[in-house]
Amino acid sequence: DIQMTQSPSSVSASVGDRVTITCRASEDIGSWLAWYQQRPGKAPNLLIYTASSLQSGVPSRFSGSGSGTDFTLTISSLQPEDFATYYCLQANSFPYTFGQGTKLEIK
Amino acid sequence: EVQLVESGGGLVQPGGSLRLSCVVSGFTFSSFAMSWVRQAPGKGLEWVSGISGGGIGTYYADSVKGRFTISRDNSKNTLYLQMSSLRAEDTAVYFCARIPSKYWGQGTLVTVSS
Repeated sequence: DIQMTQSPSSVSASVGDRVTITCRASEDIGSWLAWYQQRPGKAPNLLIYTASSLQSGVPSRFSGSGSGTDFTLTISSLQPEDFATYYCLQANSFPYTFGQGTKLEIK
Repeated sequence: EVQLVESGGGLVQPGGSLRLSCVVSGFTFSSFAMSWVRQAPGKGLEWVSGISGGGIGTYYADSVKGRFTISRDNSKNTLYLQMSSLRAEDTAVYFCARIPSKYWGQGTLVTVSS
């Protein structure tokens, strides 16, 4: 099974900061990686699919990059509504696997 | 408008069984693989099980293999998760989702406790 290692597990940042979250796959998953944002009590919200494609309606301050085993989610200028938990997901092969999550907190 | 509506959650004793359902509307259900994802209280997301569009291929996380069975009825646009030999660690909100996409249900809570 493919393991996804996500880091950091938590990060404190301020409005306007640039933040980067990384995910590493235990084997090559091509571009079959998605990023989700989740707020407490809500279903996850898709931000990025196929590693770098921005989901319609998602602000352009979110971007994704990478392929193979190493992937990055970048938020270019944090807004108050961005403080949430973020997960990567590999959808290259079953069983699909999520990263452990990154909690983005206000500094 | 796409909708995924889960039902069937509740309180069950350890060792018991429960069947979750997810009724889907707004897209051609039979054309897409579907998944169940769960989230234990205060924990991260865990992919649990997936099924191909035609229902032939089924896949499970090691944590539920042999205890959970995923199925679908494409005539009813409904996804199922039959859960048996339930354990306390199966306590979670269970989401149905078309992964990887933006289409997720709102989740149904399963609590395994005596």
